Amino acid sequence: TQTVSQSDAHVTVFEGDSVELRCNYSYGGSIYLSWYIQHHGHGLQFLLKYYSGNPVVQGVNGFEAEFSKSDSSFHLRKASVHWSDSAVYFCAVSNTGANTGKLTFGHGTILRVHP
Amino acid sequence: EAAVTQSPRSKVAVTGGKVTLSCHQTNNHDYMYWYRQDTGHGLRLIHYSYVADSTEKGDIPDGYKASRPSQENFSLILELASLSQTAVYFCASKTGGYEQYFGPGTRLTVL
Repeated sequence: TQTVSQSDAHVTVFEGDSVELRCNYSYGGSIYLSWYIQHHGHGLQFLLKYYSGNPVVQGVNGFEAEFSKSDSSFHLRKASVHWSDSAVYFCAVSNTGANTGKLTFGHGTILRVHP
Repeated sequence: EAAVTQSPRSKVAVTGGKVTLSCHQTNNHDYMYWYRQDTGHGLRLIHYSYVADSTEKGDIPDGYKASRPSQENFSLILELASLSQTAVYFCASKTGGYEQYFGPGTRLTVL
């Protein structure tokens, strides 16, 4: 069984600030990690993923995430946020061995960007 | 771009009544999923399907049934709706990779 923990329920920053949203997971096998964004009243949209290779992965709109096996983490970062980045961000993990594509989500982090 | 639509977008149901939520995707994806989202929580998987005419239980299947009559359509059925099933329901689909494409959600209120 895999679990995902997003330690920050809310993060508030100002436009132009950098931000890091934290994600820790627990699972001993081969996994696929991803981040999704949910704007208010909408469905989730894929941001980026990690499966293997370079631990730093780039996503859309300037987001990147870094995988750390030693820390069991997959933190999401952005160097300079815009007010439109205000949304809920979900970290998700999938067991690649099961071949079901099932995603286990964290509880989400609400990011508020003040103009 | 993947297109996943859901209907209705919002519904009010009475306790004990039957509710059917529908999902339609137009990209020939094999896998389809139903999740529920409760305030302050992430999404939890209810049922999923990887081929027409077959469904599988997810992590919280109790009180729900699913139907996949065709590759494009995937329904979630609440035979006897209960107050605890008030939530936002999301349908998603995917092809061979792990990226899932989500619909806009259905807000269900059970009174």
